[in-house]
Amino acid sequence: NAGVTQTPKFRILKIGQSMTLQCAQDMNHNYMYWYRQDPGMGLKLIYYSVGAGITDKGEVPNGYNVSRSTTEDFPLRLELAAPSQTSVYFCASSTGLGRTYEQYFGPGTRLTVT
Amino acid sequence: GDSVTQMEGPVTLSEEAFLTINCTYTATGYPSLFWYVQYPGEGLQLLLKATKADDKGSNKGFEATYRKETTSFHLEKGSVQVSDSAVYFCALSGPAPTGGGNKLTFGTGTQLKVEL
Repeated sequence: NAGVTQTPKFRILKIGQSMTLQCAQDMNHNYMYWYRQDPGMGLKLIYYSVGAGITDKGEVPNGYNVSRSTTEDFPLRLELAAPSQTSVYFCASSTGLGRTYEQYFGPGTRLTVT
Repeated sequence: GDSVTQMEGPVTLSEEAFLTINCTYTATGYPSLFWYVQYPGEGLQLLLKATKADDKGSNKGFEATYRKETTSFHLEKGSVQVSDSAVYFCALSGPAPTGGGNKLTFGTGTQLKVEL
């Protein structure tokens, strides 16, 4: 199993541009998550999904959109990129939503908006 | 809301030294507690977890005990190696903001550097 994969690894965007961060998992997990990690901070939840066709907002959803058309894929869309969106983005998945379930993380996408 | 506080880094130790990274939390209900590790250039990996009070999680020589009375989950290792150099995140699992289910709340991370 490849686990959770993310593309691209790095990206530089100009202010106002848009892009999609790709995330895929091959573990047949129903639950998927997007986090951002700012320097010196913990991870903040952007959006999550409990299954294909179902998504919900996390703590910091503004400026982002997600979709979940398949179990495997959970892309994150940035419209009108802003410098405040400069961060490292992590995708994760888990087998359950309960409090004991481990999350499996991808390697991250480092995004710079200038 | 839920929060996790962990000691600031970087923590620099010599090989074979004893490691403690402090973690305290604030949460409603009965969260599960986790330690995740992030090696350079990689995503986070689960190091250990504990799901109820007085549980001890352990893995790769690391240990942490869920202390409800002090709301703490300190990470310890008796003898660190250079290969343990990484960023360590304490986290708790609590209710998601919307839609039901649970979410992880992370501390800010503690960077550990182990030198020969």
